[in-house]
Amino acid sequence: DQQVKQNSPSLSVQEGRISILNCDYTNSMFDYFLWYKKYPAEGPTFLISISSIKDKNEDGRFTVFLNKSAKHLSLHIVPSQPGDSAVYFCAASVSGGGADGLTFGKGTHLIIQP
Amino acid sequence: NAGVTQTPKFQVLKTGQSMTLQCAQDMNHNSMYWYRQDPGMGLRLIYYSASEGTTDKGEVPNGYNVSRLNKREFSLRLESAAPSQTSVYFCASSEELYWGYVTEAFFGQGTRLTVV
Repeated sequence: DQQVKQNSPSLSVQEGRISILNCDYTNSMFDYFLWYKKYPAEGPTFLISISSIKDKNEDGRFTVFLNKSAKHLSLHIVPSQPGDSAVYFCAASVSGGGADGLTFGKGTHLIIQP
Repeated sequence: NAGVTQTPKFQVLKTGQSMTLQCAQDMNHNSMYWYRQDPGMGLRLIYYSASEGTTDKGEVPNGYNVSRLNKREFSLRLESAAPSQTSVYFCASSEELYWGYVTEAFFGQGTRLTVV
C-alpha cells in the first residue's frame, strides 16, 4: 500500500500564478518531508524540506506547509515560472529509523503555461 | 564538483544477460541508495547501504545484488536480466547528521536500462 500519495498526476498553471502541489501520507512515523524536482533525462534534485516539528518552511518562491493532523503537505510556488515545469516528487522519511532511504510519491507533472 | 556519478547512462541487454551499474559519490556521504523509476510508479528503493560494509534490502530487491565497495562506490548487479527490469535506475547518497537521521539525498543522472 502506498505510504506517500500524490493524487494529481499533472497540474497546469499559468505563468505568474501560484502553483499548489499536494501530498498525503499514511505512515504516522514519518517525521521528515522533502520535495524533489525532476527534469526529463536528469536525476531528481532536492528542492525544500520540512521537519515534523514545523508547519511551514520557506525558501524564496517555494513554501512547504505541513498539516500533521491531516497527514498532508503541500508545496506552493509563487510566482510560477516557465522553468518550474517539471515532475515534482514528495518524499518522506523516519528519523532514527536507520538510513533506509526516502519513500516517494508517484510524482506530479507541473506544466507552466505562458 | 561531480556529486553522484553513474555509469553507463544507457544500456540495452538481452534477457538473461548480466550487468553491473556503477555509482560513485565524492561528498563523503555514508549512506548510498539505488532506486528505480517506472512510469506512474515514482521512485522505489531497491537496496541501500548505511555505511561501508553494510547493505540492506529496500522495497523491490528481487533480481538485484549490490556491493558497497568502499565509502565512495556502490554498485548494482543484475545477474540475469528480465524485461520487467526495464527501468531508469538512480543512485543517490545522503549525509547522516547523527545515527539514523539522514538529510536530503543527492541523485545521479540515472541509467536508462532496456531489457529485450
